[in-house]
Order: sequence, then structure tokens, then C-alpha cells
Amino acid sequence: QSALTQPASVSGSPGQSITISCTGTSSDVGGDDHVIWYQQYPGKAPKLIIYDVNYRPSGVSYRFSGSKSGNTASLTISGLQAEDEADYFCSSHSNNNSPYVFGAGTMVTVL
Amino acid sequence: EVQLVESGGGLVQPGGSLRVSCAASGFSFNKFYMDWVRQASGRGLEWVGRIKSRGHSSSTNYAASVEGRFTISRDDSRSFLYLQMNSLRTEDTAVYYCVREYFYRFDSWGQGTLVTVSS
Repeated sequence: QSALTQPASVSGSPGQSITISCTGTSSDVGGDDHVIWYQQYPGKAPKLIIYDVNYRPSGVSYRFSGSKSGNTASLTISGLQAEDEADYFCSSHSNNNSPYVFGAGTMVTVL
Repeated sequence: EVQLVESGGGLVQPGGSLRVSCAASGFSFNKFYMDWVRQASGRGLEWVGRIKSRGHSSSTNYAASVEGRFTISRDDSRSFLYLQMNSLRTEDTAVYYCVREYFYRFDSWGQGTLVTVSS
């Protein structure tokens, strides 16, 4: 069982916006600004797309944005495109036993 | 360009041992914390452990699920990261990723190496 809770799947039509939630506790998401999002295509390694809640690494599309409220972080993909179909994992620095915790991942489907 | 290339995965029997390696290039390896993250088939990501840079005593931390069985080490002279896995269990079956840690995020990942624990 993953430490952070994500929906198993989210879908949307091309051009729409979708939001993926990531719920933790005050020991991780709620108490730390190091919330991270990774994108993973089948058979490939994860790729960093959002760090520190809402910062994008160089080269990542502006269509990806992050936010946080209380113990829940969110990833929004605007202007959904076919290439966005992938798995998305949230992660957070944690004050518990392990310094990093992950969500189980959300499969994004472009209809 | 940062590159992380894992090797050494394979099939091992329960209770056995295996060492996987990660060759790093394209950055000052000795200055970075390095981690291992694993992913069982069709499952989520799990942090396995980390080794800090020599400037932080190359100290290590491990997930509770592997503490006492796995050991992470590094060879800064060759830019290699290692994961020694002992007393392997079927639940350790996963793809193991070598990752670079940078300010609380994993900004570079290897392609992964598959470790299968089965009789």
C-alpha cells in the first residue's frame, strides 16, 4: 500500500484539462514543499516533470502545472494531447522513516 | 548529458544474493546523493535507499523493507553506484532504478535493471 493516495485513472478528451490529486499527511505532503511529480511511459524510466509543488524543469511543457492545499497536492495537465497518455506518480519528502514516499500512480488516458 | 546505466540484474533464488551496478557519467558524481528506487511489475514506485556524497560521510539510509539485507555503496573514483542485495525474497522482484538526487528530487534516472527472485 502506497503512502500517498492517487486515483487509479483519469481520462479526458484532447484539448481538455485534467487534474490528478495526491493525498498524504501532515508528515509529508502537508508539511513539506518538496512535492514532486513524475511521468512514466510503458517500459520507460520515470521522468521528473514538477518539483517543489509547482516548478517545471527545463524542457517540460508549460501545460503541466502543480499546486497544493493542505495534505493534497494536484497535477493539472491543460490542453491535453495524445502524447500525455502515460502514468503519473506523485512523491513527497517525508518526516517518517523513509525520506521519500510515492503514490501508486495514475494512468492518464486521452479519449 | 547525464547518463545512468544499470547492470547486473537477473534471476536469483529466494535467499540468494545479487549485486547491481550503476555507471554514471556526464556530471560530477562525487558531489551528488544517489538513490535506488524500485518498481514491481504493474505497481508503483518504492524508494529503496540512498547514499550521501563523501562530503556528507557517504552515509546511507534504507527503507524498512530492505534494512539489514541491502547495502548501498559508491566508488567515486570510477563514478559507480552499487546495490548489494542479500537474503532476497520473492517480493524483492522489481525493476531497480539508479537515480540522482538533487535538492529533494530525483532529476535523472537510469533505464532500470530487472531483478527476479524465484525458485
